[in-house]
Amino acid sequence: GDSVTQMEGPVTLSEEAFLTINCTYTATGYPSLFWYVQYPGEGLQLLLKATKADDKGSNKGFEATYRKETTSFHLEKGSVQVSDSAVYFCVKAGTALIFGKGTTLSVSS
Amino acid sequence: ETGVTQSPTHLIKTRGQQVTLRCSSQSGHNTVSWYQQALGQGPQFIFQYYREEENGRGNFPPRFSGLQFPNYSSELNVNALELDDSALYLCASSSVGRGGLGTDTQYFGPGTRLTVL
Repeated sequence: GDSVTQMEGPVTLSEEAFLTINCTYTATGYPSLFWYVQYPGEGLQLLLKATKADDKGSNKGFEATYRKETTSFHLEKGSVQVSDSAVYFCVKAGTALIFGKGTTLSVSS
Repeated sequence: ETGVTQSPTHLIKTRGQQVTLRCSSQSGHNTVSWYQQALGQGPQFIFQYYREEENGRGNFPPRFSGLQFPNYSSELNVNALELDDSALYLCASSSVGRGGLGTDTQYFGPGTRLTVL
């Protein structure tokens, strides 16, 4: 069945470092793709989304491009901050939201 | 605009008991989905309700059941609790039509942390 695979964590970075979290998916057709973020002690929040191939979603300095050729939706940020420390989930829309296992990001000053 | 709310925040039950979790959807949303998030894992889809009817179900046994009310709020009921039911239960609301499961953005509540002893 459909699935989402994202890079295992934890990812530990220094402030202002470049971030990439890899995500690939399997699906029939071209489902919408999302990145959700879960900050410590808070609920899941939508970070960004892309609804069709070659779309780029962006928010709060984060970006992800929907690549149908490589079935990927990698999350990137040019300069992370301590406040970006959270768990990030790559998610595929379909008959239900399909979540990756999550990647924990820790950013130190 | 009021977001998705869930109650209670935390709950402790013993094996074999029954539990009811509640969710109020975001204003203007007609669809509610429930997810189970085990520690260190991504959320797993339990089921979705659209206009008071079940509109899709994940791989969960029948002892997981739900309701949606005319105001689009929802309940998740779990009977005969097992230790493995310990998890964070998330409710998400959205505004999709029948047959359009998951095709629109879902907005999540803070969750109910269930512990089964």
